[in-house]
Amino acid sequence: KAGVTQTPRYLIKTRGQQVTLSCSPISGHRSVSWYQQTPGQGLQFLFEYFSETQRNKGNFPGRFSGRQFSNSRSEMNVSTLELGDSALYLCASSLTLSSYEQYFGPGTRLTVT
Amino acid sequence: AQSVTQPDIHITVSEGASLELRCNYSYGATPYLFWYVQSPGQGLQLLLKYFSGDTLVQGIKGFEAEFKRSQSSFNLRKPSVHWSDAAEYFCAVGGGYSGGGADGLTFGKGTHLIIQP
Repeated sequence: KAGVTQTPRYLIKTRGQQVTLSCSPISGHRSVSWYQQTPGQGLQFLFEYFSETQRNKGNFPGRFSGRQFSNSRSEMNVSTLELGDSALYLCASSLTLSSYEQYFGPGTRLTVT
Repeated sequence: AQSVTQPDIHITVSEGASLELRCNYSYGATPYLFWYVQSPGQGLQLLLKYFSGDTLVQGIKGFEAEFKRSQSSFNLRKPSVHWSDAAEYFCAVGGGYSGGGADGLTFGKGTHLIIQP
């Protein structure tokens, strides 16, 4: 069974721009969570999506948003990029809503200049 | 609020030697506990998990971990390390629910494992 895939793997953007990251979960998994990983803050929970609805959100500003499609694929959007948004963005999929058994993708490395 | 502490930022172990990575957590109820490994430029791979039951759990790649409620610990062990085990190891805790969904995993800062030949 294929794992979680994320596209693109690497991205360079300029301050003030917006960016969209994509995540395809493991086949059959219906929940997608997003995490941000930085050297300073470590791994932090962004949000979880299930049945095309955001179910929970971490402590991030409204510039961070996402959505989920009927096939469980998810996108994450960051608007008005700041230098501090440079990070590895990880997507994790799980079988059901609020399942803590999460399987991670390789991540998208975002660099904001 | 839940939290995870990994006291060792770096650990150096000789190939073939045993390994123990420490993890302490703070959580009000019975936690779900996890160990993940991350190789450079890669995502996180789940090594093992504890939800309930037997406090000694076996994982992939020969790793095991023991849940000790009295010490709020979930240390990761391996009897004999291989050079390919060099990576970043993360302990995580979960179990909270609010707003209609899971609160997400809370991760420790990670332990960087270096293997000496």
